[in-house]
Amino acid sequence: DAGVIQSPRHEVTEMGQEVTLRCKPISGHDYLFWYRQTMMRGLELLIYFNNNVPIDDSGMPEDRFSAKMPNASFSTLKIQPSEPRDSAVYFCASSLGLSGNTIYFGEGSWLTVV
Amino acid sequence: QKEVEQDPGPLSVPEGAIVSLNCTYSNSAFQYFMWYRQYSRKGPELLMYTYSSGNKEDGRFTAQVDKSSKYISLFIRDSQPSDSATYLCAMMAHDYKLSFGAGTTVTVRA
Repeated sequence: DAGVIQSPRHEVTEMGQEVTLRCKPISGHDYLFWYRQTMMRGLELLIYFNNNVPIDDSGMPEDRFSAKMPNASFSTLKIQPSEPRDSAVYFCASSLGLSGNTIYFGEGSWLTVV
Repeated sequence: QKEVEQDPGPLSVPEGAIVSLNCTYSNSAFQYFMWYRQYSRKGPELLMYTYSSGNKEDGRFTAQVDKSSKYISLFIRDSQPSDSATYLCAMMAHDYKLSFGAGTTVTVRA
């Protein structure tokens, strides 16, 4: 299996632009998570889905952030409009069931907003 | 106060030394305890997983959980340069939401 695939790996964008991050989870996994990692705050859970349905979005920082999962093999995290404080590494992870030993992370999307 | 506290280091040790990492936490509802390894510019990968208190050993790695003290540890024996990475502790209650420590950066010098 190719693992969790994220794109783009690197994105540099200007403040105010829309950013879309993409994720393909591991085939057969029924949970998908979006995390954000920064030096100041570490790894934070933004939102997670179960069978394509958003379950908990309490970690989404503000309305500028939105996430969708139109099918079992694809999810997007969108930031509109982007701001410099959104600069971070965004990780997608997937798991089969909900237990700590089955969560697999992608390699991350490195976002810089200038 | 953060829910999970972890000294970010950095920690530098010579090859062959024992690496000792630890985290403390405040949420007594945490039942699942994990250690992740994250290489530079990569995603975290699960290294050790423990449910409730006790010890778990896997090769050169030993994880310990002391719920009474709200303290978990990871030991790496016979450390190798390939162990150089950031190690993150993570914990989960029955809500299945992972809470991560800040991560400790470890360098093993050849």
